[in-house]
Amino acid sequence: DTGVSQDPRHKITKRGQNVTFRCDPISEHNRLYWYRQTLGQGPEFLTYFQNEAQLEKSRLLSDRFSAERPKGSFSTLEIQRTEQGDSAMYLCASSFFSRGPRMDYEQYFGPGTRLTVT
Amino acid sequence: TQLLEQSPQFLSIQEGENLTVYCNSSSVFSSLQWYRQEPGEGPVLLVTVVTGGEVKKLKRLTFQFGDARKDSSLHITAAQPGDTGLYLCAGAITTDSWGKLQFGAGTQVVVTP
Repeated sequence: DTGVSQDPRHKITKRGQNVTFRCDPISEHNRLYWYRQTLGQGPEFLTYFQNEAQLEKSRLLSDRFSAERPKGSFSTLEIQRTEQGDSAMYLCASSFFSRGPRMDYEQYFGPGTRLTVT
Repeated sequence: TQLLEQSPQFLSIQEGENLTVYCNSSSVFSSLQWYRQEPGEGPVLLVTVVTGGEVKKLKRLTFQFGDARKDSSLHITAAQPGDTGLYLCAGAITTDSWGKLQFGAGTQVVVTP
């Protein structure tokens, strides 16, 4: 088990450019989450998938943000027309969820992608 | 506004001292997790508590979930420099979807030799 991986680890972009981040979850996990963390704050929920279905999106996720998980494995988060306020750490997490006896509450995080918009 | 309030925001202690971090909310949580985060890295899961009144121990760390499942505490005995980090509590609200976690703002702990 290699854990959750994210790519790239760091991204510097100019305002107005588009960026895309990738997350590879733990292989047997069916849920994948995206969070955003700014300095001095805890992570804030953005969206999550169960398999390939996007089940919930936060109000924080403006129209410039889109996330996909096309085959229920890796996920991408794209930000269009970046703004300086988008500068943050983007975190991906995964978990195994089942409504059966093995209901798993635990989310495991990747190392994050640090986005800086200049 | 964070749904989970952590206190204190910052804690600086000497090696060998004890410390307690608190996590409080007016909401009821179906589960609560504690994470530790190093600068530039993602949070690392330490423990999950799900039952009101539950106490879990992880070496020198003791975690407690309040009886009403609205609060939690983390106690570290004989702290070591390796305990330095940002401690985050996070919970899944009972009335919310089973997916998202609500995080506190974190407690920055610094243990000096």
